Amino acid sequence: GENVEQHPSTLSVQEGDSAVIKCTYSDSASNYFPWYKQELGKRPQLIIDIRSNVGEKKDQRIAVTLNKTAKHFSLHITETQPEDSAVYFCAAGDSGYSTLTFGKGTMLLVSP
Amino acid sequence: GAVVSQHPSRVICKSGTSVKIECRSLDFQATTMFWYRQFPKKSLMLMATSNEGSKATYEQGVEKDKFLINHASLTLSTLTVTSAHPEDSSFYICSGRGQTGGGETQYFGPGTRLLVL
Repeated sequence: GENVEQHPSTLSVQEGDSAVIKCTYSDSASNYFPWYKQELGKRPQLIIDIRSNVGEKKDQRIAVTLNKTAKHFSLHITETQPEDSAVYFCAAGDSGYSTLTFGKGTMLLVSP
Repeated sequence: GAVVSQHPSRVICKSGTSVKIECRSLDFQATTMFWYRQFPKKSLMLMATSNEGSKATYEQGVEKDKFLINHASLTLSTLTVTSAHPEDSSFYICSGRGQTGGGETQYFGPGTRLLVL
């Protein structure tokens, strides 16, 4: 089955800095890669996703890159703000996908 | 994005009782719903996948007789924790697979915090 590794487990940055979270996956059949943001005690919220037919996708301050050959994908947050503080999960699934496999999460702390 | 509701948001019960959690897709039809369990500061652990009108598929190590899942309609799935014990205390989250502009994705419910005394 799919195995998703996520790093780092915690990330502390100053407001205005950039943050990068990296994930690797094992199953070459996976071709859908969403990122979720989860604030304490709340539901995971989809913030951006990418499908394997593109290498990069951007939405304002958030971008995701995908390297299919290396089987890794990354989340980039620019101009971080304190409200970006949360746990971020990457996930990988196949085209139909019956299930998503989640990474273990990255706790991002943005200090004012 | 699509909306998934979950009820109740939190429940406290005595050991040995059963608890039912409802998951509804409010503005889309979810042919597939997923049930996750999340321990504090941990990732989402998939418990089972349910397709409307058929039996749920449970992940390895999840007892199907203890965690009963019913997906009777395209907008409703239920998880019943039977004969709950303190070790079942956790945050349970459902999600529904739905359509976005770019394709299908998963939308999560707000979760149910279960405390078994």
